[in-house]
Amino acid sequence: AQSVAQPEDQVKVAEGNPLTVKCTYSVSGNPYLFWYVQYPNRGLQFLLKYITGDNLVKGSYGFEAEFNKSQTSFHLKKPSALVSDSALYFCAVRDRWNDYKLSFGAGTTVTVRA
Amino acid sequence: ETGVTQSPTHLIKTRGQQVTLRCSSQSGHNTVSWYQQALGQGPQFIFQYYREEENGRGNFPPRFSGLQFPNYSSELNVNALELDDSALYLCASSFLAGGSTDTQYFGPGTRLTVL
Repeated sequence: AQSVAQPEDQVKVAEGNPLTVKCTYSVSGNPYLFWYVQYPNRGLQFLLKYITGDNLVKGSYGFEAEFNKSQTSFHLKKPSALVSDSALYFCAVRDRWNDYKLSFGAGTTVTVRA
Repeated sequence: ETGVTQSPTHLIKTRGQQVTLRCSSQSGHNTVSWYQQALGQGPQFIFQYYREEENGRGNFPPRFSGLQFPNYSSELNVNALELDDSALYLCASSFLAGGSTDTQYFGPGTRLTVL
């Protein structure tokens, strides 16, 4: 079985401050890891993914994420948050041997105040 | 490049009715996955279609069924609607080759309300 935990329902930061959204995962084999963002009444927008290789992954809109195998974590980060980053963020995992199914966390609402 | 599109945007049905939701995959993609996102929750995998056949299924009853067409578009059908079926239904397309699928790209979703 595969699962994702996003321990924080909400994250609030001031504009210009660093933003971190936490994610831990559980999977039987080697994971593929993803971050998606969802704006109100919209579908999911792909931000970045980890498949293999460098543990630091860079994605869209200045976001990056660090894969940590020993801690089974894949935290999303942005060095300087913008008000427009306010949205719902989802972490997802896929088992390389169970290739068709993405398992999502419950989501973290990010609020960036001006 | 055309993204994933879904229709309709919103739908209201009553308990016991049947519904069909439609999805057009992104250009160049051959695989379609469907997810259910209840209010305040993350998306839950329903099933995936590849080469017009079901390629994997989540924990959803048989009254959830699907089709994939030769042009890779897809339908999700739900029979005997229940109140708990009220949710945002998301379609995602991807490219499967060599036994492995690439990133799934999502459409805007169909909001289904069951009264």
